Amino acid sequence: LAKTTQPISMDSYEGQEVNITCSHNNIATNDYITWYQQFPSQGPRFIIQGYKTKVTNEVASLFIPADRKSSTLSLPRVSLSDTAVYYCLVGDRQAGTALIFGKGTTLSVSS
Amino acid sequence: GAVVSQHPSWVICKSGTSVKIECRSLDFQATTMFWYRQFPKQSLMLMATSNEGSKATYEQGVEKDKFLINHASLTLSTLTVTSAHPEDSSFYICSASGGTGVSTGELFFGEGSRLTVL
Repeated sequence: LAKTTQPISMDSYEGQEVNITCSHNNIATNDYITWYQQFPSQGPRFIIQGYKTKVTNEVASLFIPADRKSSTLSLPRVSLSDTAVYYCLVGDRQAGTALIFGKGTTLSVSS
Repeated sequence: GAVVSQHPSWVICKSGTSVKIECRSLDFQATTMFWYRQFPKQSLMLMATSNEGSKATYEQGVEKDKFLINHASLTLSTLTVTSAHPEDSSFYICSASGGTGVSTGELFFGEGSRLTVL
């Protein structure tokens, strides 16, 4: 299973765009990249998933370069409520495949 | 999205007793369920993988006789912490992979269950 590396922490202010980059040098051909958000004492919540190029949904964008060895989660105009831990995971989407969590990035948003 | 529910949300028990945590997929059939454990300020650690109707596969270092996992139906998996000790106090999170009712391979997480062993 591919290992991921993320910054341990990031600080931002309300209204700013936040970009969190994840390194996954050993990503396999069948692996997808998925980002989760976790608040204290809650289960992880799905943010976005992609395979290559760019994916956008109502809460975030995910940028994946052609070599797929890294990815960047972009959160537009963060608010205080975006303070959380963000996890980047890579894995096969086949049913029955577990996702292995790395250390994640703790994002702190201040006013 | 699909919903995975855990019960109880939190439980306090005495050392030496056993505690059961339930994980249910509410609106889809989960062919596979995963159990994770998370200690304070740490990441989630995969404990075991269970497929409906078969024995769970445990990760290295996880005691199968201490953490009993049952996946008797496509919507329910249970984790029983037997003879709990204070060091078992942790946040236990289940996740489910579909299955009928969701895109194959999607992974949905429960809200987590906080276990405190006195």
